[in-house]
Amino acid sequence: AQTVTQSQPEMSVQEAETVTLSCTYDTSENNYYLFWYKQPPSRQMILVIRQEAYKQQNATENRFSVNFQKAAKSFSLKISDSQLGDTAMYFCAFIQENSGNTPLVFGKGTRLSVIA
Amino acid sequence: AAGVIQSPRHLIKEKRETATLKCYPIPRHDTVYWYQQGPGQDPQFLISFYEKMQSDKGSIPDRFSAQQFSDYHSELNMSSLELGDSALYFCASSQRLAGGLTLYEQYFGPGTRLTVT
Repeated sequence: AQTVTQSQPEMSVQEAETVTLSCTYDTSENNYYLFWYKQPPSRQMILVIRQEAYKQQNATENRFSVNFQKAAKSFSLKISDSQLGDTAMYFCAFIQENSGNTPLVFGKGTRLSVIA
Repeated sequence: AAGVIQSPRHLIKEKRETATLKCYPIPRHDTVYWYQQGPGQDPQFLISFYEKMQSDKGSIPDRFSAQQFSDYHSELNMSSLELGDSALYFCASSQRLAGGLTLYEQYFGPGTRLTVT
């Protein structure tokens, strides 16, 4: 079974600074996808960024980027120019490639606080 | 853009009562997933449906059942409610037929907050 580990339960960052959230995963599969979801105080789950395991290039979405190290099974999220609205719980998630109905496996989350 | 719709948004029930949660996926999405998120926890997968058929089953109690209808909306039926069922219940949808990465992207609804007293 796949597992996802987020080793940082809580983090804080000053507004406008950069922060990196860690995520490691364990799988014997070669084909899979990785995601970061953001859950603000409203509890809505928002898809932030996604990465295909077969792609070497790291995904980027505006201020959000990932560092995907397949051999190390590491998938960290970097938030640049942090904003107060980035305050949220961040979940790393894994999904195995198959016919397409596989559920997401989540890490325990990292609570990020952006400080003014 | 249209999003996943869940109703009701909040629900308060007493122990041993029943509850029905509804989910309306994004138009043209054919796959629905249900997740349960307890306080301070990560979402846990309950069950999923593709084209009105159950496709995968997770940690869903036997007291719960679900189905997907011809219009692709889904309902989660919960009976003999227990205090431990108090949680946020998410529905997510995806579009399997799109292929590639798209079929693995799951979009979440706002959730139904269930409180059992």
